[in-house]
Amino acid sequence: DIQMTQSPSSLSASVGDRVTITCRASQTIRNYLNWYQQKPGEAPKLLIYAASSLQYDVPSRFSGSGSGTAFTLTISSLQPEDFATYHCQQSFSHPWTFGQGTKVDI
Amino acid sequence: QVQLQESGPGLVKPSQSLSLTCSVSGVSISSDDFYWTWIRQHPGKALEWIGNIYFSGNTYYNPSLKSRVTISLDTSKNQFSLRLNSVTAADTAVYYCARVPFFGGTNYYYYYMDVWGKGAAVTVSS
Repeated sequence: DIQMTQSPSSLSASVGDRVTITCRASQTIRNYLNWYQQKPGEAPKLLIYAASSLQYDVPSRFSGSGSGTAFTLTISSLQPEDFATYHCQQSFSHPWTFGQGTKVDI
Repeated sequence: QVQLQESGPGLVKPSQSLSLTCSVSGVSISSDDFYWTWIRQHPGKALEWIGNIYFSGNTYYNPSLKSRVTISLDTSKNQFSLRLNSVTAADTAVYYCARVPFFGGTNYYYYYMDVWGKGAAVTVSS
């Protein structure tokens, strides 16, 4: 199985901050990498697919980059509604696997 | 508007089977544009992919669960289902169903989960 490792596991930030979350794969996954946002008690929400493609209803302050084994999710200016847990997920090969999540709080 | 909704028992006894149904509205599960998937999340833990099904009935399962899991379609009701046999406390989790669009070339396709159900909490306990 491909192992996905996110860093940091949690971070504290303020409104307006630029936030970067890293996701590393245990082997190359080219750009078959998705990012999801999850708020407490809610289902995950798709943010980014294919490493850098923004889902249609997601604000442009979210962006994704990377290929191979290293990927980043960037929030250019953190908003109050962005405090949540972020998950990366590879769809390069079965079984699809997720990172352990990065919690962004105040 | 596409919506998915999980349903099923919230409490299952150890060694019994867990059965959940995902009711889909706004899109046909017979569409060849999507796979349909089950994901679970143990309390405070990472998300875990369980398996996929395509309109043709083709399935892909996580090897860690493959011997116990079955995903099936009911096109007449526009639903798909999950059955997990011989459950233990380790199967206590929130179970999500989701839609999986895909696109790409001849050998590799991009897959992602774009619409999710709200989740169904299942506890395995006697």
